[in-house]
Amino acid sequence: DAGITQSPRHKVTETGTPVTLRCHQTENHRYMYWYRQDPGHGLRLIHYSYGVKDTDKGEVSDGYSVSRSKTEDFLLTLESATSSQTSVYFCAISTYLTRDKNQPQHFGDGTRLSIL
Amino acid sequence: DAKTTQPTSMDCAEGRAANLPCNHSTISGNEYVYWYRQIHSQGPQYIIHGLKNNETNEMASLIITEDRKSSTLILPHATLRDTAVYYCIVRVEGDMRFGAGTRLTVKP
Repeated sequence: DAGITQSPRHKVTETGTPVTLRCHQTENHRYMYWYRQDPGHGLRLIHYSYGVKDTDKGEVSDGYSVSRSKTEDFLLTLESATSSQTSVYFCAISTYLTRDKNQPQHFGDGTRLSIL
Repeated sequence: DAKTTQPTSMDCAEGRAANLPCNHSTISGNEYVYWYRQIHSQGPQYIIHGLKNNETNEMASLIITEDRKSSTLILPHATLRDTAVYYCIVRVEGDMRFGAGTRLTVKP
């Protein structure tokens, strides 16, 4: 298994509260990603990071922010959670090789977030 | 705009080879084919990827047709633990676009 730990694994919270999800890796990989998975939509990219303090938006970034102050940690924050953000959130990591960009992504086991 | 087409579901007998097809007729020359699987409530698990040559690793084999418009993932001796949703993805770089995948059920 890739060394990826997501925390918490489950969380229930109320609309309007801030929520932060953490992804921690032990692989020293450059790239880290946050996805959400919803029925009928597959996995959709929220944000990704290509290095410390280097992040960019994905397909469904509205309502989410991220931070990466260390190589090993990538945080996803919902500033004011809404019911539409109830989902399963997956973190992924990948390395980057100059010769071969097409390295696969490896996923964590997810955080199940419910917003009431 | 789905880049890949997979059957919705397939069954396979335990111990037999599972052959999962994927059509990617619009694949471009520099796009790789990736296969992942997802067992209920777990994160997607990487299986294998390739560009144009057939590939094999400890989990599976990937057969890509010469025109690269389709591929087949082969699990040589399926076990009950291989029951999962299998995703075929084509990609150059960037995020992984997962479709609906194929739900493989391995039966005793």
